[in-house]
Amino acid sequence: DIQLTQSPSFLSASAGDRVTITCRASQDISSYLAWFQQKPGKAPKLLIYAASTLQSGVPSSFSGSGSGTEFTLTISSLQPEDFATYYCQQLSSYPRTFGPGTKVDIK
Amino acid sequence: QVQLQESGPGLVKASETLSLSCTVSGGSVSSDSCHWNWIRQPPGKGLEWIGYIDYSGSTRYNPSLKSRVTISVDTSKNQFSLKLTSVTAADTAVYHCARSLYYFDSNDYYVSELFDHWGQGTLVTVSS
Repeated sequence: DIQLTQSPSFLSASAGDRVTITCRASQDISSYLAWFQQKPGKAPKLLIYAASTLQSGVPSSFSGSGSGTEFTLTISSLQPEDFATYYCQQLSSYPRTFGPGTKVDIK
Repeated sequence: QVQLQESGPGLVKASETLSLSCTVSGGSVSSDSCHWNWIRQPPGKGLEWIGYIDYSGSTRYNPSLKSRVTISVDTSKNQFSLKLTSVTAADTAVYHCARSLYYFDSNDYYVSELFDHWGQGTLVTVSS
């Protein structure tokens, strides 16, 4: 199985801050990586696919980059509604796997 | 707009079988461009992909659960279902159903699979 790690696991930030989350894969997954946002009691919401393509309806404050084994999710200016947990997911091979998550909390 | 809704018992006894259904609206489980997935999330923990079924009934499962999992589809009800046998406390989780599709660009070049629509999730607790 392809293992995904995320850093940091927890991040405390203020509205307006620029935030970057890193996801690392245990082997080369090309650009087959997605990012999700999850709020308590809700389903995960697809933000980015193919490492850098913004899903329809997602604010342009979100962006993704990377390929191979290292990827980043950046929120250019954190909004109150962005406080949530973020997961990466690899779609290079089966079983599909997710990172352990990064919780973004209010400072 | 595609919507998915999980249903089934919220409490299952240890060693018994967990059974859940996912009803799809705004889309068809018979679509040949989609996979219909189950994903679970233990309380306070991360996401684990369980498996998928496609329109033809072909399935693929996570090897960690393969011996205990069956996913089936009922096209007449526009539903797909999950059965997990011999459950233990470790199977306590929120179970989500989700649609994924293979996305191709305008040149028909494969871009990626997208897990674009999810159900809200249903908590299943395994009791001893």
